[in-house]
Amino acid sequence: QKEVEQDPGPLSVPEGAIVSLNCTYSNSAFQYFMWYRQYSRKGPELLMYTYSSGNKEDGRFTAQVDKSSKYISLFIRDSQPSDSATYLCAPDKAAGNKLTFGGGTRVLVKP
Amino acid sequence: DAMVIQNPRYQVTQFGKPVTLSCSQTLNHNVMYWYQQKSSQAPKLLFHYYDKDFNNEADTPDNFQSRRPNTSFCFLDIRSPGLGDAAMYLCATSRARPPGQKDNEQFFGPGTRLTVL
Repeated sequence: QKEVEQDPGPLSVPEGAIVSLNCTYSNSAFQYFMWYRQYSRKGPELLMYTYSSGNKEDGRFTAQVDKSSKYISLFIRDSQPSDSATYLCAPDKAAGNKLTFGGGTRVLVKP
Repeated sequence: DAMVIQNPRYQVTQFGKPVTLSCSQTLNHNVMYWYQQKSSQAPKLLFHYYDKDFNNEADTPDNFQSRRPNTSFCFLDIRSPGLGDAAMYLCATSRARPPGQKDNEQFFGPGTRLTVL
């Protein structure tokens, strides 16, 4: 079993729809939960991070963490074609700077 | 603008011919990472430097080596590339997280796509 799992997609939605992305993990030591966005042929860039369980909202993006079920979600409201990218979840342990990436979910937002 | 730069963006090498990929940063971060990302897969951490301290991942093959001559530069050396080493190689940097600080953003370069013939 991989430490972090994501559905690879692609997830295709019409412009304006809500995009729902999920990630599961197995290591209960993870305390910090990051979402990275990776455009084609580019390096990943940090989108959001959440500490422990709870919700965090930033503009059109909402991240949710449920540590009891080891489940992480990212929601994109009013999706735009520019949101078309691969979204990688990346949990981190309490100490140190090492990330464990999920395989990423490719999202396509069609105009 | 402060950034992470990788050269070259595309590298073609022959089976078994050593190759070096380079990374430089203007962020003055003390942690630098090298990841390998194969098509449609997660970035896989190969090793990282915390200042001058080298930290190898347990499953990183001996074929992969790294050098960090100073804060700004880090190199990835592949001593004898095999066909299975064809991938995107990503360099990233971060500040060491001080105690009590929660955020830990890693800043990635654009990557070097390695082709092995």
